[in-house]
Amino acid sequence: KAGVTQTPRYLIKTRGQQVTLSCSPISGHRSVSWYQQTPGQGLQFLFEYFSETQRNKGNFPGRFSGRQFSNSRSEMNVSTLELGDSALYLCASSLMPGGIVGNTEAFFGQGTRLTVV
Amino acid sequence: AQSVSQHNHHVILSEAASLELGCNYSYGGTVNLFWYVQYPGQHLQLLLKYFSGDPLVKGIKGFEAEFIKSKFSFNLRKPSVQWSDTAEYFCAVLDGGYNKLIFGAGTRLAVHP
Repeated sequence: KAGVTQTPRYLIKTRGQQVTLSCSPISGHRSVSWYQQTPGQGLQFLFEYFSETQRNKGNFPGRFSGRQFSNSRSEMNVSTLELGDSALYLCASSLMPGGIVGNTEAFFGQGTRLTVV
Repeated sequence: AQSVSQHNHHVILSEAASLELGCNYSYGGTVNLFWYVQYPGQHLQLLLKYFSGDPLVKGIKGFEAEFIKSKFSFNLRKPSVQWSDTAEYFCAVLDGGYNKLIFGAGTRLAVHP
């Protein structure tokens, strides 16, 4: 079956602009999580969505937001981009959230590499 | 809050050498532990996972890890590495009731032929 699909794969934006990234989870998966990967900070959790509801949010400013649609696809948005937002943004999908079923495995997409200039 | 420490940031080995990458987590109690691998230019892939039961977990590509609760550790091992194992390895723990993975800083492994 198809894996986690993230679009676009690469983006170059200018400071102050906003950007929307998309994630299509594995078919049947209802939980989507987002992570930011940078050389300095490593992999950091952004937020998690399940059934169109944000269940948890990481320690990121309000410029970072997301949503999930009824078909489980998810988008994340970053407004007023800063140079420090340059990163690889990863989406992970799971069948169910860990707290509900427990012991779920996250499958990662290839990510969207965002460069802010 | 839960945290994960990986002791080695860069490891260089020759082919056929044995590998052990250290991982420690901070919270005692029930934990779900993972090792992920990221090959150059590829997405994160799950190597192995521990949820409960046998503390010696076998994963893909000949990797294994041992959960030692008393040491809060989940070290990754492979008896004989190959050049194709060159990648970055991440240890992670699932945070409580959320689908939130807390990752270690990662270990870059370079295997020379």
